[in-house]
Amino acid sequence: QSALTQPASVSGSPGQSITISCTGTSSDVGSYNRVSWYQQHPGKAPKFIIYEGTKRPSGVSNRFSGSKSGNTASLTISGLQAEDEADYYCCSYTTSGTWVFGGGTKLTVL
Amino acid sequence: EVQLVESGGGLVQPGGSLRLSCAASGFTFRDYWMHWVRQAPGKGLVWVSRIYSDGSNTIYADSVKGRFTISRDNARDTLYLQMNSLRVEDTAVYYCVRDSSYAPDQWGQGTLVTVSS
Repeated sequence: QSALTQPASVSGSPGQSITISCTGTSSDVGSYNRVSWYQQHPGKAPKFIIYEGTKRPSGVSNRFSGSKSGNTASLTISGLQAEDEADYYCCSYTTSGTWVFGGGTKLTVL
Repeated sequence: EVQLVESGGGLVQPGGSLRLSCAASGFTFRDYWMHWVRQAPGKGLVWVSRIYSDGSNTIYADSVKGRFTISRDNARDTLYLQMNSLRVEDTAVYYCVRDSSYAPDQWGQGTLVTVSS
């Protein structure tokens, strides 16, 4: 089970928008609408921010949005704020009945 | 409030065993699938295992298959991970994670397992 592919790092200035990609295969991202995204601050547990590719759990800011096209899912954060600086991970269910995470993307707010 | 509290981590020698526990509260534990996810120091998240709500089905990542066993006690609202034949590369923070039926959603704070001689 190979990890989903994410850029190692992205950056943006406060108020700007950034997008993080998550590329898998037809055996995971491309097969199901079951991509989720997580935010992790240093030393903390991950926080669930997107599920089924595009949906936000209750309480998550609408500045976070998700999309999917083919084997690639994306997370967009609009109106960047300092507290958005964190690591972000995608996750997908697979045709093997397992789950696979992306390698993670470090977001720096300049 | 959903709470997941892991325990049982520590230092163990290569080839040794350890059992992790995860005490759940704030939700009806017996209704949910559960996962274990780990994170090596400075590295990314890696899915380890999943168990059905009634314990009838389990599945593992290839890296731990045959060495780790996930189980649960719904009467005690507790999830377990029995880890045998531990390797240096198993060193990680281990998280207990609830599955919402859409995705892994609620995470515990994690427990650190260090495999070293």
